[in-house]
Amino acid sequence: GQNIDQPTEMTATEGAIVQINCTYQTSGFNGLFWYQQHAGEAPTFLSYNVLDGLEEKGRFSSFLSRSKGYSYLLLKELQMKDSASYLCAVRDDYKLSFGAGTTVTVRA
Amino acid sequence: GAVVSQHPSRVICKSGTSVKIECRSLDFQATTMFWYRQFPKQSLMLMATSNEGSKATYEQGVEKDKFLINHASLTLSTLTVTSAHPEDSSFYICSVSGLQETQYFGPGTRLLVL
Repeated sequence: GQNIDQPTEMTATEGAIVQINCTYQTSGFNGLFWYQQHAGEAPTFLSYNVLDGLEEKGRFSSFLSRSKGYSYLLLKELQMKDSASYLCAVRDDYKLSFGAGTTVTVRA
Repeated sequence: GAVVSQHPSRVICKSGTSVKIECRSLDFQATTMFWYRQFPKQSLMLMATSNEGSKATYEQGVEKDKFLINHASLTLSTLTVTSAHPEDSSFYICSVSGLQETQYFGPGTRLLVL
């Protein structure tokens, strides 16, 4: 089975940094994805990690440790528009399994 | 990434009717599409994998006779919710696999069954 855990909610101030952790226990592993989902909208792709290490893409970075079953998404220079749900998803042999999502609220 | 559209974006229907949702891959030939369902404040749950030219693969607990999937071409998959009931009210989202098996999602269809 798949077990993907991430915090339910996080709050941060505009301009700050927030780190969203994700731990997983899955029957197979072929990559870890992070998606952003604004309320009432479909998820949009943020990042993909399949090897250990840090992937940086502008204000967003994602880290993976396969031996620890652990990933994090780092959001820097937070903006109000970053308020959204962030979904951690793990791909096994053929499908994506999603965590419940972390709702990030950015305050002025 | 792949561009995916869905139609309709929102539908309200009476209990007992059937509703068809279309998912189109606009710039990518998708042999495989995925259908998800998302209830309020919950994460996405995979319902089925839609395979072009063959039968869909359904996840455990998803009734294949209630959620009919047709993937007749490389750019179109349809999901029909038959005899819809209020408990089927949800956000239905399709996706296609692109580069590095990244899934790109359609804008979603919000179904409300009265």
